[in-house]
Amino acid sequence: QMQLVESGGGVVQPGRSLRLSCAASGFTLRNYAMHWVRQAPGKGLEWVAVVSYDGGSKYYAASVEGRFTISRDNSKNTLSLQMSSLRAEDTAVYYCAKDKAVASDGYFDLWGQGTLVTVSS
Amino acid sequence: QSALTQPRSVSGSPGQSVTISCTGTSSDVGKYKYVSWYQQHPGKAPKLLIYEVSERPSGVPDHFSGSKSDNTASLTISGLQADDEADYYCCAYAGRYSWLFGGGTRLTVL
Repeated sequence: QMQLVESGGGVVQPGRSLRLSCAASGFTLRNYAMHWVRQAPGKGLEWVAVVSYDGGSKYYAASVEGRFTISRDNSKNTLSLQMSSLRAEDTAVYYCAKDKAVASDGYFDLWGQGTLVTVSS
Repeated sequence: QSALTQPRSVSGSPGQSVTISCTGTSSDVGKYKYVSWYQQHPGKAPKLLIYEVSERPSGVPDHFSGSKSDNTASLTISGLQADDEADYYCCAYAGRYSWLFGGGTRLTVL
């Protein structure tokens, strides 16, 4: 069945970097735009970034622009999020999410289980 | 860009109907058809319930329905069931390839 599995979360000091990965299976990754969405502990959802089906276009929330980089490797069925200059407010569960369409409609129809990132000294 | 506005909590008895509102602006909810709703049970990943304002993905029961009027989208859950108790989030396209979520609504089935 279709599945997304995130990895790479952990505890990191403010100002440091961390790279998250998302492994896709059960569907053809290159046919869909992909997103990262995060959820701070006890809080709501926040859209973080999107990458087009071919990796050619990338867009970010204002809160992470310039610090986070989304990328994908369709040959390896993986999505990544490189996070740098991390701040305490970046502490959250990070979900990778599949768009329902090849275009970025923003309908997240498949989610991973999430990976927790804690930014703390 | 601010988060979309949802009531923090709603409640209803089994078999009743409840409606959760999601208020945005003329730049997001009011401007585009790209409104979706998600259900999240505690400790679980969100699940897509409604997309494009009122469309249901396959496998989502028809007691979930969506609508939109001006800058407010709504999710109606009819015939409440115990398993409907969860957090619900709306999401809307805000232009320039960005998306906004609502703050979330906790549904309690009494």
